[in-house]
Parts: sequence; C-alpha cells; structure tokens
Amino acid sequence: AQKITQTQPGMFVQEKEAVTLDCTYDTSDQSYGLFWYKQPSSGEMIFLIYQGSYDEQNATEGRYSLNFQKARKSANLVISASQLGDSAMYFCAMNPYDKVIFGPGTSLSVIP
Amino acid sequence: GAGVSQSPSNKVTEKGKDVELRCDPISGHTALYWYRQSLGQGLEFLIYFQGNSAPDKSGLPSDRFSAERTGGSVSTLTIQRTQQEDSAVYLCASSSTIAGGQAKNIQYFGAGTRLSVL
Repeated sequence: AQKITQTQPGMFVQEKEAVTLDCTYDTSDQSYGLFWYKQPSSGEMIFLIYQGSYDEQNATEGRYSLNFQKARKSANLVISASQLGDSAMYFCAMNPYDKVIFGPGTSLSVIP
Repeated sequence: GAGVSQSPSNKVTEKGKDVELRCDPISGHTALYWYRQSLGQGLEFLIYFQGNSAPDKSGLPSDRFSAERTGGSVSTLTIQRTQQEDSAVYLCASSSTIAGGQAKNIQYFGAGTRLSVL
C-alpha cells in the first residue's frame, strides 16, 4: 500500500535557525514524485518543492531543500534560516502517476 | 484565470439540503482533484479527473457525493442530503500532467470552500 508518514505532529524552531521536517513514504512503484506543500493559517496550499525518484541531485528552491534518500524512502524538507512567516502546516506528498497521496502534516512554529 | 478558483468561498446549509461546490482550474490543466480537509486534519482524497473522465472515485465517502467535469474545465462537486459530518473545507487542485517519462504532477490549489452544515 502507498503511504506517507510524517512522525512530527508539531515542531518549534528559533528564528534564523534551520529545521528539518521528516517524511517517509512507502511505494512499490519505481517512478514517482515527491512534494512538499505549505499551508499557513489562511488555509491556502502552497507548493514548495518537487523531487523525482530518478533525480540524482537533491532538489533546492531558495531556502527549501529536499533531502532525498531513496534507499531509506525518506524525503525530508530542510528549511534554512527560518522566518516568522514559515509558521504553518507542512505536508509531504507523493504521486505514483496521477493520484497524489498526502501525509498527515507537521505543524511548524517559528519562535522570535 | 491565473489560478484555481473555487466558489463559494463559504457555504452554510441546513442538514438534509443539497449543495454544489464549483472549481475552475488553471487554463490548460488536464487533471483536476477534489480533497476534503476537516479542522486540524490532513487532506482526504475524494476524486480526480483526467479530462472529463474520473479514473479514480475511490475517495468519495458515500453515494451522497458525486462530481462531474464538463468541457475538460469546470468541475462541480455535489453533496446530497448533507450531514453535519460533511462540514469541512473542500479543496480543489489542478495540474498539467506530463505524459511519458517520470510523472511530475505539481498540483495548484484553490482557496477552498468552507462548508458548514447546521
């Protein structure tokens, strides 16, 4: 069965520090994509970063990077230099082909 | 439009009434998804469309829920005989599926419809 696990229901980080949000996944497919989305208190879902299962390099988008370890089936999100505006829910997701599966989310709070 | 548009943004209805939620995807996006998000919870997949077809309806919670998409564009999610447990935010997303090679299915979300069943 395909599944996304996010074991950290809540996280705190000091402003300007880096933080890692964990994500592990389970799939038997060889080709898949991994995503991270941010959902602030306003409720909108914002796409952050994408990693393909065949991509050899870890994806980076500004302050966001995805630490992809295929053998361990993990796709952790690293946010560098945290800002107050980073406080939000963060969802890891996976798509084997067309269907997208979301994890339960991690709530991140950035402390001034 | 520039983004995914959902209407209404808020809907309050009485138990037993029918409601229709509308999603207008990004122009040219072939795939469209509906999700439900209860307060403080993750996203529950409901249904997805590829063009006008719905290859996967597995997430629809009951036969009171139905969805259609016409012209490969606008989609309507209908909930008949609403119940209080239907209260949630209903999110729509669209994506431009890239054929061949590795799947890359970045979904862009609308702002959602907050449904409250009294």
